[in-house]
Amino acid sequence: EADIYQTPRYLVIGTGKKITLECSQTMGHDKMYWYQQDPGMELHLIHYSYGVNSTEKGDLSSESTVSRIRTEHFPLTLESARPSHTSQYLCASSVAWGPQYFGAGTRLSVL
Amino acid sequence: GIQVEQSPPDLILQEGANSTLRCNFSDSVNNLQWFHQNPWGQLINLFYIPSGTKQNGRLSATTVATERYSLLYISSSQTTDSGVYFCAVLGAYNAGNNRKLIWGLGTSLAVNP
Repeated sequence: EADIYQTPRYLVIGTGKKITLECSQTMGHDKMYWYQQDPGMELHLIHYSYGVNSTEKGDLSSESTVSRIRTEHFPLTLESARPSHTSQYLCASSVAWGPQYFGAGTRLSVL
Repeated sequence: GIQVEQSPPDLILQEGANSTLRCNFSDSVNNLQWFHQNPWGQLINLFYIPSGTKQNGRLSATTVATERYSLLYISSSQTTDSGVYFCAVLGAYNAGNNRKLIWGLGTSLAVNP
């Protein structure tokens, strides 16, 4: 079982709030990823990082931002949440191009 | 870019039945993974299998890289097997750091008691 943790698991907030979704891994993986997934749909990569101080946008445009100041930590921030941000957010990590391991996900609902 | 197709899109089984899920991909790959997404949304790694055959309990997977497909076998299915099964691949020819997992649309499995 992979050691990658996401908090919170569920979040319900009002429009305009700033939120940070946390993701941490204890495996020393160099690469980390954020995916967005609507119910019953495919996963879309929104951010990735190949190491400390390295972040890139993924295939799906997102208003969120990420940072990678420490190897084990890859938080995602929304400065002003909107109902269109309602979705599930999944964090993953890997060593080089090996298998990706996922956290339990954060279900975000913006009212 | 590389395309990934999964079949069937939906599958309903009686408990105890066996099933085969298929993943076709359009180009050479360095990485192929099968995942199970449970009803709570969590993605569980099933297999990392760019080629060959692996088995884990009632589940097994085979990837024939030269023919560009992978199969996931579920034997003696249980209600806890319900959920969505995703196949994801990493193309072999994307340059440098521009290599991302390409996901299929998944097979939604329901196992009835």
